[in-house]
Amino acid sequence: EAGVTQFPSHSVIEKGQTVTLRCDPISGHDNLYWYRRVMGKEIKFLLHFVKESKQDESGMPNNRFLAERTGGTYSTLKVQPAELEDSGVYFCASSPRQGIGSGANVLTFGAGSRLTVL
Amino acid sequence: QQQVKQSPQSLIVQKGGISIINCAYENTAFDYFPWYQQFPGKGPALLIAIRPDVSEKKEGRFTISFNKSAKQFSLHIMDSQPGDSATYFCAARGNNFNKFYFGSGTKLNVKP
Repeated sequence: EAGVTQFPSHSVIEKGQTVTLRCDPISGHDNLYWYRRVMGKEIKFLLHFVKESKQDESGMPNNRFLAERTGGTYSTLKVQPAELEDSGVYFCASSPRQGIGSGANVLTFGAGSRLTVL
Repeated sequence: QQQVKQSPQSLIVQKGGISIINCAYENTAFDYFPWYQQFPGKGPALLIAIRPDVSEKKEGRFTISFNKSAKQFSLHIMDSQPGDSATYFCAARGNNFNKFYFGSGTKLNVKP
């Protein structure tokens, strides 16, 4: 089974530019999450999709961030325009649909996309 | 406001020793407490998890101790090995649609 795939693995952009991060979850996983870790700090929740619907986007920092999940499959996270404080590692994670089993408790993470804004 | 507080930030242990990482939380609605292990260049991966109705869970050399009244839980790695060197994150799940809150991570270095 393929894992969660994220790309690019590393992106270096200048302040004011736009970056789009992509996540391909495990096939069949309804839940898709975006998290961010700023250096040395906690892995912070950004938002949660259930299929193509945004279940919770309370962690999105501001309206410069836009997440989409086309057809309930892959997801993109766009930052426009990027600011210095957006630098960090962006993780995507997925989990199965919540049901009788405990599978929905287990988040499978991608390797992350490291964003550096200069 | 950080929902889960983790300490220490870094830890150096000799091979064969015991590694202990501590976490504390405030929200009594949290209902599931996993630990994740992350190696360089990889994403965090589930290591072991516990529910609040259990005080201890052991899987091989890894044990979670859970103190519900103190709102604290800890990871113990017995007979620590160099291969255990990684960053460890504690986490807690809120009861609304599987929202997870993570600690700030502990970088463990096990010296041979």
